[in-house]
Amino acid sequence: AQKVTQAQTEISVVEKEDVTLDCVYETRDTTYYLFWYKQPPSGELVFLIRRNSFDEQNEISGRYSWNFQKSTSSFNFTITASQVVDSAVYFCALSEAKYGQNFVFGPGTRLSVLP
Amino acid sequence: DTGVSQDPRHKITKRGQNVTFRCDPISEHNRLYWYRQTLGQGPEFLTYFQNEAQLEKSRLLSDRFSAERPKGSFSTLEIQRTEQGDSAMYLCASSPVPGQMNTEAFFGQGTRLTVV
Repeated sequence: AQKVTQAQTEISVVEKEDVTLDCVYETRDTTYYLFWYKQPPSGELVFLIRRNSFDEQNEISGRYSWNFQKSTSSFNFTITASQVVDSAVYFCALSEAKYGQNFVFGPGTRLSVLP
Repeated sequence: DTGVSQDPRHKITKRGQNVTFRCDPISEHNRLYWYRQTLGQGPEFLTYFQNEAQLEKSRLLSDRFSAERPKGSFSTLEIQRTEQGDSAMYLCASSPVPGQMNTEAFFGQGTRLTVV
């Protein structure tokens, strides 16, 4: 069975602080894909990153970075020097190769960046 | 192309009425998904099309729900005899690249349904 857990329901930080959003997943498949999406107040889910289970290299894109650790089934997301525009709900999602059409989302973490 | 388009953006309906939502995916995307999102929760999978074929339906999709994608382009999601529990945001997404598994999905802005 697939499951995604985001234990942090809400996080508040002050602008310019770094913040890490946690994601823990469960899967029995050996080939799977992990995603992060951002949902700003406008409601549209915005794709941020995709990772496959065979690529554990960390990735950095501007102020965003992702840490994928298969040993702990975690795929954490860090925002460096947070900005007010980063305020949104962030979702981690999993899809298994066998059932690639079905994205399973975590419950989301609401990030508030205060000026 | 302006992305995935959903219509209407908002719908208020009385309990027991039928409603239909439309989704226009990004052109040439052969996969189309419907998700439902309630307040404070992550999106939940409802159903999935590859071209015009509906390949998977969630247990969440009761017999009051039906989805179609007649020509493999736009899709409709109909809810018959709406109930207050159907109130949610209905999200449509599409994904590209035929033959490549597990590409990211691109989401529309959703249709917010309120059943009164």
